[in-house]
Amino acid sequence: DAKTTQPNSMESNEEEPVHLPCNHSTISGTDYIHWYRQLPSQGPEYVIHGLTSNVNNRMASLAIAEDRKSSTLILHRATLRDAAVYYCILSGQGGSEKLVFGKGMKLTVNP
Amino acid sequence: DAGVTQSPTHLIKTRGQQVTLRCSPKSGHDTVSWYQQALGQGPQFIFQYYEEEERQRGNFPDRFSGHQFPNYSSELNVNALLLGDSALYLCASSPEGQGFADTQYFGPGTRLTVL
Repeated sequence: DAKTTQPNSMESNEEEPVHLPCNHSTISGTDYIHWYRQLPSQGPEYVIHGLTSNVNNRMASLAIAEDRKSSTLILHRATLRDAAVYYCILSGQGGSEKLVFGKGMKLTVNP
Repeated sequence: DAGVTQSPTHLIKTRGQQVTLRCSPKSGHDTVSWYQQALGQGPQFIFQYYEEEERQRGNFPDRFSGHQFPNYSSELNVNALLLGDSALYLCASSPEGQGFADTQYFGPGTRLTVL
């Protein structure tokens, strides 16, 4: 299983943008990049995913490096509700691929 | 539309006992995966069920078994409980045939404590 590397933790201030990095130097050409987050006392929650092009949705943006060996999850205006553990995950093609989670990165949002 | 539901919320067992955890997938989903999350760690994949069959399995011993019913709900059974089985057990569902990069929807989990 392809692995990802994330910082253990990051801090941000409320209403400021946050850039969460992820390295995945061994990514294969068919691996998708997924981001999930887990709020305290909850199950993981899907945030965004992409393959090659940058992606935007109502929650966040995903910027993918041209060589695909790294990506950045962008929260445009952090809120207190965004405080969570963020997981960057790679998965291959095919339906219902299992998700291989690392330890993730804890984001603290200061008021 | 109800999301993924799991029961019970919390459970306390003693070593050597057996436990059954239950999961109802999100409406329209027919694939169920189970994950174990130890304190401070990311979730670890246990197995996945589709069409009432175990389709994929992670690195877990045979003490962990499961079942999927015709209505797509699922059970996770753990026999001969060990202290190390104490964890949050998460169920995730996804629709088969969605194509690449299926999004998985997680339930709130069952917190199992083994004494």
